[in-house]
Amino acid sequence: EPEVTQTPSHQVTQMGQEVILRCVPISNHLYFYWYRQILGQKVEFLVSFYNNEISEKSEIFDDQFSVERPDGSNFTLKIRSTKLEDSAMYFCASKFSDRGNYGYTFGSGTRLTVV
Amino acid sequence: AQTVTQSQPEMSVQEAETVTLSCTYDTSESNYYLFWYKQPPSRQMILVIRQEAYKQQNATENRFSVNFQKAAKSFSLKISDSQLGDTAMYFCAFMKPFSTGANSKLTFGKGITLSVRP
Repeated sequence: EPEVTQTPSHQVTQMGQEVILRCVPISNHLYFYWYRQILGQKVEFLVSFYNNEISEKSEIFDDQFSVERPDGSNFTLKIRSTKLEDSAMYFCASKFSDRGNYGYTFGSGTRLTVV
Repeated sequence: AQTVTQSQPEMSVQEAETVTLSCTYDTSESNYYLFWYKQPPSRQMILVIRQEAYKQQNATENRFSVNFQKAAKSFSLKISDSQLGDTAMYFCAFMKPFSTGANSKLTFGKGITLSVRP
């Protein structure tokens, strides 16, 4: 069964450093998402991406965050200057269609620890 | 804005028994989609079951079924014949229909931790 692949599985970074979280969505999927889960809390929407542009972003997704699909296969989330509160599990997800009867496929997540 | 409420923080069930996890939501939409996701200790998000609001029939997937009460805005998950591998965090989630242009983001509840006892 096709998978969404996320790398790395765990990243530790110093506060103020830039990090790039990488995702390879399923190849024929068109809609891409990043979600965040702070430890022990609910999963929160960050951003959706379609047709090489952001479709929607949450209030969490401020100027420190950016997304890119640089080569038609990878989908990246960049955090420019990490803060302690950015420590969380970050999930990438993709969908074939925007219609609800097409389900999401989530990656296994990247655990980001900011020290 | 949509909200999803899971008021039970944790539940425990004996192996082979049945357990029901509760979820309520609030929306002004008439059509939408509801989901239950399972997150085992590996932290992967796994789709358990999906319900389309315009369908009267409750969704079922093997040992998993839902009780969807649209008027009450309630969407509970029933797990029959509980197995040790069902031990996980379970999230209820809501999605607006594509026609609203919301690009189908999921709104999650806080989750409930389910422990299955041997």
